[in-house]
Amino acid sequence: KAGVTQTPRYLIKTRGQQVTLSCSPISGHRSVSWYQQTPGQGLQFLFEYFSETQRNKGNFPGRFSGRQFSNSRSEMNVSTLELGDSALYLCASSTGQGSGELFFGEGSRLTVL
Amino acid sequence: GENVEQHPSTLSVQEGDSAVIKCTYSDSASNYFPWYKQELGKRPQLIIDIRSNVGEKKDQRIAVTLNKTAKHFSLHITETQPEDSAVYFCAASPSSGNTPLVFGKGTRLSVIA
Repeated sequence: KAGVTQTPRYLIKTRGQQVTLSCSPISGHRSVSWYQQTPGQGLQFLFEYFSETQRNKGNFPGRFSGRQFSNSRSEMNVSTLELGDSALYLCASSTGQGSGELFFGEGSRLTVL
Repeated sequence: GENVEQHPSTLSVQEGDSAVIKCTYSDSASNYFPWYKQELGKRPQLIIDIRSNVGEKKDQRIAVTLNKTAKHFSLHITETQPEDSAVYFCAASPSSGNTPLVFGKGTRLSVIA
């Protein structure tokens, strides 16, 4: 069974640009959650998508958005990048039914110059 | 919303000693408490979890205890080994419904051989 796949793994952008990150969940999982990981701040929740609908949203500005496709693959977009957006962006898939194990991808490491 | 505090932020122990990481949570509705381990450069992975209907759970050298009255839970690792060196994250969430996990900021454990 294939794990969670995130692309790209590394990317460098400059301030003001936008970026799109992709996440393919484990087959059969309908929930995809996105987390931002920075040193000292741990894993901060961005949003969760379930069956193509945003089900939960964290406290991030509107520059951070996402979507989910009918095959459960998800993308997140960050517009007008700021230096502080440099982070590891992790997606996690799960069945989405109640609480249960999150299966994380290896992350997309974004550097904003 | 839920807030999870985790201590200490860093912990160094000698190989063979025990390590304890503590977390507190704020939302009395939370009743699912997982722990994730993230080795350097790798994805977070679930190592153990506990639900509020039990006070303690063990899996070989790791155990988790939960005190719902005091709203705190702890991870205990006995007979530590160098491969236990990693960042450990606690998290909390209501197990009913579909509320996302809220993570603590992590504890960097170093096991010194």
